[in-house]
Amino acid sequence: DVKVTQSSRYLVKRTGEKVFLECVQDMDHENMFWYRQDPGLGLRLIYFSYDVKMKEKGDIPEGYSVSREKKERFSLILESASTNQTSMYLCASSSPRLAGRGETQYFGPGTRLLVL
Amino acid sequence: KNQVEQSPQSLIILEGKNCTLQCNYTVSPFSNLRWYKQDTGRGPVSLTIMTFSENTKSNGRYTATLDADTKQSSLHITASQLSDSASYICVVSAGRFPTGGGNKLTFGTGTQLKVEL
Repeated sequence: DVKVTQSSRYLVKRTGEKVFLECVQDMDHENMFWYRQDPGLGLRLIYFSYDVKMKEKGDIPEGYSVSREKKERFSLILESASTNQTSMYLCASSSPRLAGRGETQYFGPGTRLLVL
Repeated sequence: KNQVEQSPQSLIILEGKNCTLQCNYTVSPFSNLRWYKQDTGRGPVSLTIMTFSENTKSNGRYTATLDADTKQSSLHITASQLSDSASYICVVSAGRFPTGGGNKLTFGTGTQLKVEL
């Protein structure tokens, strides 16, 4: 089974702090994604990566950056956290080698971030 | 703008009863449609996937239907159980990103289902 893990389930940070969210997948997937999930809104894509050191902006990249130095690890960075970044952050991974199954995205458990 | 709308927003049913959740989408180009189940405090898990040519897909007590002409899908849950309490999210793929980095997905806001004794 695919396993996607996220470094923290809950985080509390102060405005202006630099925040790192880590995601690790164990299935050798090429693609990794960061989403945020807010009440009343569907999941929104922040950034994704299709290979080591490669990244693409999603729909809401402002205020975020990402890093992918190793295939299995994808980090989301909030350079200077703000209260409007309080949210649930979900990481996902997928592989085009599994496109016959519609290239399912497998999600981690999420990190609930509160910025005070 | 690609959109996915789900109804109802929330639903409470008694254990053992059936229910149907609805999804309407305006996504172009259409590649496939999935239903995900998201338990509280967890990430979404894929239940079913349907392409343009498929109009029904089952996964145990879950049966999804797709009408590509009217751009509607439904998820029917039979003989509900307490463990079915979760958010059910309809997700439509508009094909792959130009870089090939996976599918471009549009997510609905989900239907929150609660199954009670």
